[in-house]
Amino acid sequence: NAGVTQTPKFRILKIGQSMTLQCTQDMNHNYMYWYRQDPGMGLKLIYYSVGAGITDKGEVPNGYNVSRSTTEDFPLRLELAAPSQTSVYFCASSGQGLNEQYFGPGTRLTVT
Amino acid sequence: DAKTTQPPSMDCAEGRAANLPCNHSTISGNEYVYWYRQIHSQGPQYIIHGLKNNETNEMASLIITEDRKSSTLILPHATLRDTAVYYCIVRSGSSNTGKLIFGQGTTLQVKP
Repeated sequence: NAGVTQTPKFRILKIGQSMTLQCTQDMNHNYMYWYRQDPGMGLKLIYYSVGAGITDKGEVPNGYNVSRSTTEDFPLRLELAAPSQTSVYFCASSGQGLNEQYFGPGTRLTVT
Repeated sequence: DAKTTQPPSMDCAEGRAANLPCNHSTISGNEYVYWYRQIHSQGPQYIIHGLKNNETNEMASLIITEDRKSSTLILPHATLRDTAVYYCIVRSGSSNTGKLIFGQGTTLQVKP
C-alpha cells in the first residue's frame, strides 16, 4: 500500500492564481482531512469528509474548496491565492474506527 | 473537546526514558487522549491513545492519572530518531467525524 499520497511536493504561486492540491489514499478509508501548518505552529483543520459526496468545514476553511467524488481522492482547491495561504498542507485519512489518522508527506506552498 | 497543555520543549539523553506530560483538566468521561508526533516537517504519525487505563504498544506507553486530568507519554529508550514535536490531543469517543484539534505540542530533543 502506498498509503496517503500528495502532489505536488512543492509549488510557488503568484497572488491571484489558483491551483488544486491532490490527495489520494489506497486504504479504502471513508474519512479524509485537509490540514495546514504554518511555521512553528500546530496543524489547523481546513476541511474534512466522512465519505464520498460528503464534506464539511474545519477550523480555517476560508479561501479553500474541496470535493469528494470518490473514496480514494480528496482534492483541495485554492482560488485566488493570497500570501496568507503560504503554508505546508497535509492530507490525512482514517478508517472506520477513527482511532488513527494516516498522514501524507505534505505539499509546501508559497504564494508571492 | 477538552483543551490540553504541554510544555513547549524538553530534552532527553539518548538511551534514557523520555517522559512527556500533558494536562487536560477539563476532560470529560467519554473523551480519549491521543498522542501523535511529527518528525522534522513530515506528516504527523499516530503513537497511542487511551481512555482511562494505561496503554502500551511497540512505540510507547501512555499513563493516565486516576482522575484523568493529566497523562504522560513514555518513550522507554529514546533514540536520536525520536527527536520530534509531540502532540497530545483530547477527542470525544463518540465523535463521528474523527476530527483532531492540534495544539503546539512539545518539541523533544534527544541528545547523544
